[in-house]
Amino acid sequence: DAGVIQSPRHEVTEMGQEVTLRCKPISGHNSLFWYRQTMMRGLELLIYFNNNVPIDDSGMPEDRFSAKMPNASFSTLKIQPSEPRDSAVYFCASSMGHPGGGNTIYFGEGSWLTVV
Amino acid sequence: GQNIDQPTEMTATEGAIVQINCTYQTSGFNGLFWYQQHAGEAPTFLSYNVLDGLEEKGRFSSFLSRSKGYSYLLLKELQMKDSASYLCAVSNHTGGFKTIFGAGTRLFVKA
Repeated sequence: DAGVIQSPRHEVTEMGQEVTLRCKPISGHNSLFWYRQTMMRGLELLIYFNNNVPIDDSGMPEDRFSAKMPNASFSTLKIQPSEPRDSAVYFCASSMGHPGGGNTIYFGEGSWLTVV
Repeated sequence: GQNIDQPTEMTATEGAIVQINCTYQTSGFNGLFWYQQHAGEAPTFLSYNVLDGLEEKGRFSSFLSRSKGYSYLLLKELQMKDSASYLCAVSNHTGGFKTIFGAGTRLFVKA
């Protein structure tokens, strides 16, 4: 079975440009998570969705960040305008969203973003 | 809120046993996870505990004490390829299942 699929894998962009990161969760999973990882701050939860509905976006750093999940098989994380401090690895992850072991999350390979 | 603490770094010798501790504070506890992350790669799932006790899976075991807010990951017969970061994560039930990660423990395995 295909795992979580993210694109792009790597992106280098200039400050002020819009960045869109894409994610396809594992088929049948109904929870989707966006994380950001940096050396300084570790793995931070930005937002998560359950059945396509945003449940908790308290980790979204500021209004420049937005996330959508228009259907069960697709989500985007957008940064507009981007800034150098947004440089990080952005991971998308999904889980079945069931109690117990059914909430194990599985990660995509990450999108490595560099803003210059 | 949630708080997860684990040591920043550990060093161990090939063939030895190492224990990585994790303490946590959370409400609505719904399980504790351990993930392995090699440099430049995504975290991969290692183990899950929701009840007190020890879960064994090959060379890796994980223990949980809910009353103490404590877990550990035990790695036996260490191999060089076990050099990685080990992330402790806690899930709680808040309208879904929110999973928060600790900062990770970087394990260095030396010959």
